Amino acid sequence: EAGVAQSPRYKIIEKRQSVAFWCNPISGHATLYWYQQILGQGPKLLIQFQNNGVVDDSQLPKDRFSAERLKGVDSTLKIQPAKLEDSAVYLCASSSPGQKAFFGQGTRLTVV
Amino acid sequence: AQSVTQLDSQVPVFEEAPVELRCNYSSSVSVYLFWYVQYPNQGLQLLLKYLSGSTLVKGINGFEAEFNKSQTSFHLRKPSVHISDTAEYFCAVYAGNNRKLIWGLGTSLAVNP
Repeated sequence: EAGVAQSPRYKIIEKRQSVAFWCNPISGHATLYWYQQILGQGPKLLIQFQNNGVVDDSQLPKDRFSAERLKGVDSTLKIQPAKLEDSAVYLCASSSPGQKAFFGQGTRLTVV
Repeated sequence: AQSVTQLDSQVPVFEEAPVELRCNYSSSVSVYLFWYVQYPNQGLQLLLKYLSGSTLVKGINGFEAEFNKSQTSFHLRKPSVHISDTAEYFCAVYAGNNRKLIWGLGTSLAVNP
């Protein structure tokens, strides 16, 4: 089966610029996650969707981060404006509820 | 609330030596337990999982883990490691009541020749 697709793979932006990441989950997976993985740390859940509804966004910095999952399939994560500390790998994952999550390759963001 | 503790941030070993990566969790409800691996410059991959049944779980690449409910542990083991096992290993807990994967901070395994 096709895996979780993410784009772009790499992105370098200057602080205060905006950036958007895209994720296409595995077909049929109702649950979609966005994680932020800062170098040397475990992944931190930013937001979890169940279909197109938000289940958990308690750790999403809502003043600058936003995410949507229109039609319950693809999802985009946006940062506006970016800060230096946003430099990280952004991982998208999908699963059927309660089952293992499949991860994409991630988008490595560098903010300079 | 659930939490996951990976007791070692870095584990250096020589090739062909055995290795154990430790993971402890806390939860008041039944859990599912996972080990994920992240090879350099790659995304996370599932190594193995415990959902129910046998407490000894075998995964890919010769890894296995044992669920110990009394000690709330889920340690990952491999009897003989290879250079290619050099990676970051993450333990994760999924508790059905809050539907979240809780992650450990990761253990960096460095296999030296």
